[in-house]
Amino acid sequence: SFELTQPLSVSVALGQTATISCGGDDIGSRNVHWYQQRPGQAPVVVIFRNSNRPSETPERFSGTNSGNTATLTISRAQAGDEADYYCQVWDTSTVFGGGTKLTVL
Amino acid sequence: QVQLQESGPGLVKPPETLSLTCTVSGGSISRSRYYWGWIRQPPGKGLEWIGSIYYGGNTYYNPSLKSRVTLSVDTSTNQFSLKLSSVTAADTAVYYCARHTGLEYAFLVWGQGTLVTVSS
Repeated sequence: SFELTQPLSVSVALGQTATISCGGDDIGSRNVHWYQQRPGQAPVVVIFRNSNRPSETPERFSGTNSGNTATLTISRAQAGDEADYYCQVWDTSTVFGGGTKLTVL
Repeated sequence: QVQLQESGPGLVKPPETLSLTCTVSGGSISRSRYYWGWIRQPPGKGLEWIGSIYYGGNTYYNPSLKSRVTLSVDTSTNQFSLKLSSVTAADTAVYYCARHTGLEYAFLVWGQGTLVTVSS
């Protein structure tokens, strides 16, 4: 079965740029979606189809996808960005990455 | 603005069947070409897709759960449902219902989730 690999945790200084990776075999050929999940809340999509932002997502969030790695980039990180982030693809079934806990220092 | 709300027992005994319903408000299941999915999250762990059902009735399941899962849609009540049989403690999780426009597409609308504990 298809597997997605994410770092368990990422730390970023307030106002700096955070990058969260999502690795998978030839993931660049698939549509990748990213979710933000704050404690006790349901996930919310922040990037869909690799690099598209819902209207509610700040422009500070961006996504890229190429080769074996998709990346979520959060510019000018804020305290409110602290959350778990999950990538997701479809490969004969829906697959989620293991999730990355983002800490804003 | 469509909204989803999960409902069902919060406690299920092993090896009984877990049954949950997701009520759709703000839109009709039968008039829209959407997929309706279930995702779960064990306490302190990541997300796991359970399966999705197309409004027309086609079903798609996680291979690891396929033998125990049944999804259905009830257009008369604007609800869709999940049944998971032979549950064990490993099935304890927050269960979310969600909507997507295609199997390759993101889950853009989520319910708030409901915690189901499996314990005797």
